[in-house]
Amino acid sequence: DGGITQSPKYLFRKEGQNVTLSCEQNLNHDAMYWYRQDPGQGLRLIYYSQIVNDFQKGDIAEGYSVSREKKESFPLTVTSAQKNPTAFYLCASSIVGRELFFGEGSRLTVL
Amino acid sequence: KQEVTQIPAALSVPEGENLVLNCSFTDSAIYNLQWFRQDPGKGLTSLLLIQSSQREQTSGRLNASLDKSSGRSTLYIAASQPGDSATYLCAAPIQGAQKLVFGQGTRLTINP
Repeated sequence: DGGITQSPKYLFRKEGQNVTLSCEQNLNHDAMYWYRQDPGQGLRLIYYSQIVNDFQKGDIAEGYSVSREKKESFPLTVTSAQKNPTAFYLCASSIVGRELFFGEGSRLTVL
Repeated sequence: KQEVTQIPAALSVPEGENLVLNCSFTDSAIYNLQWFRQDPGKGLTSLLLIQSSQREQTSGRLNASLDKSSGRSTLYIAASQPGDSATYLCAAPIQGAQKLVFGQGTRLTINP
């Protein structure tokens, strides 16, 4: 089936650790996105990429890093510089300028 | 700058009613607008995408309209069912950028 796969679904991190969230799509979409969702704050854009080997910062990129080495993959690393990383992270993809599709999300909790 | 607003934040209605959810945006130079549904703890599911050249888009019991001149979109749900209970979000693009701005969502509860 075509779609977007995020893993892991749940992740626990100790303070000071970096963690990487995986996002894989088999929809042949050029554009991929990472959003963060917090209660009462809606979705906020972290990073996005419209083509392999290129990506742009969103509204809240500080403390995060990404790579886009393959069209199908857009992993997000939450670094120790992110002061409040506990959140629900959503990956999405689209043909540029067209309908946006989301994965099931990854919930990160800092212990 | 694009700002997207959804009012009300929460809505509770009895089963069987027809209802309308509202979405307002500040930059009318949009090329499309998208409506999503989110169930608790889940990702977003795309419901309808309206292109700027369209005024309406329909899928089953859902009908979305777009009025660029007034900066408004509505999502009409006919004959509501308990399974329609979820948070509904709209999103509009930022002019000149391939990214969306999301509203805060309307949390809908359909009571049996």
